Amino acid sequence: QKEVEQNSGPLSVPEGAIASLNCTYSDRGSQSFFWYRQYSGKSPELIMSIYSNGDKEDGRFTAQLNKASQYVSLLIRDSQPSDSATYLCAVIGFLGSSYDKVIFGPGTSLSVIP
Amino acid sequence: GAVVSQHPSWVICKSGTSVKIECRSLDFQATTMFWYRQFPKQSLMLMATSNEGSKATYEQGVEKDKFLINHASLTLSTLTVTSAHPEDSSFYICSAPRGEGYIQYFGAGTRLSVL
Repeated sequence: QKEVEQNSGPLSVPEGAIASLNCTYSDRGSQSFFWYRQYSGKSPELIMSIYSNGDKEDGRFTAQLNKASQYVSLLIRDSQPSDSATYLCAVIGFLGSSYDKVIFGPGTSLSVIP
Repeated sequence: GAVVSQHPSWVICKSGTSVKIECRSLDFQATTMFWYRQFPKQSLMLMATSNEGSKATYEQGVEKDKFLINHASLTLSTLTVTSAHPEDSSFYICSAPRGEGYIQYFGAGTRLSVL
């Protein structure tokens, strides 16, 4: 059973601080890794995608991937109240020569306190 | 703008009726689409994989006769909840993969309330 786990929340950080979200996955063959943000009552929206080891930065967001440790993280710098949402980690591997279905983690709820 | 369109966004129906939800990829072709269900304060639960031109693949525990999926074209998949009951009330979301990284783009979701 392929699994994706995330650090349990809820996570509360003060405005302006760095929020750190963590994710581990069980399938070593996983190829693509994503972070989605989901506001209450809305569908998920893509924040970051990462495919190779190391860091990937986009504005206030930095995704980090370590395939050897089967670990992916998301850092949010200068956190804003509008960042308050549930963050979903998603992982895709291959099934034969095709992409497999996406496996989502349970999500981590982030609350940024003004 | 949105790359995946989902309609309706909200539907209320009486118990025993059927409800159809549409998911369209707007400017790309999607041979595969995914249907999820999400209960309040819970994570996404994959219901089925919709395959253009062939039968959908359902996840364990999902009744294929209750949740009918049709993927008749490269841009449209439909989910029909047949003989809906109050326990089917939930947030249904579709997604379509796009690009080399198989990025999932989500529809806006459909909130179903069965009275």
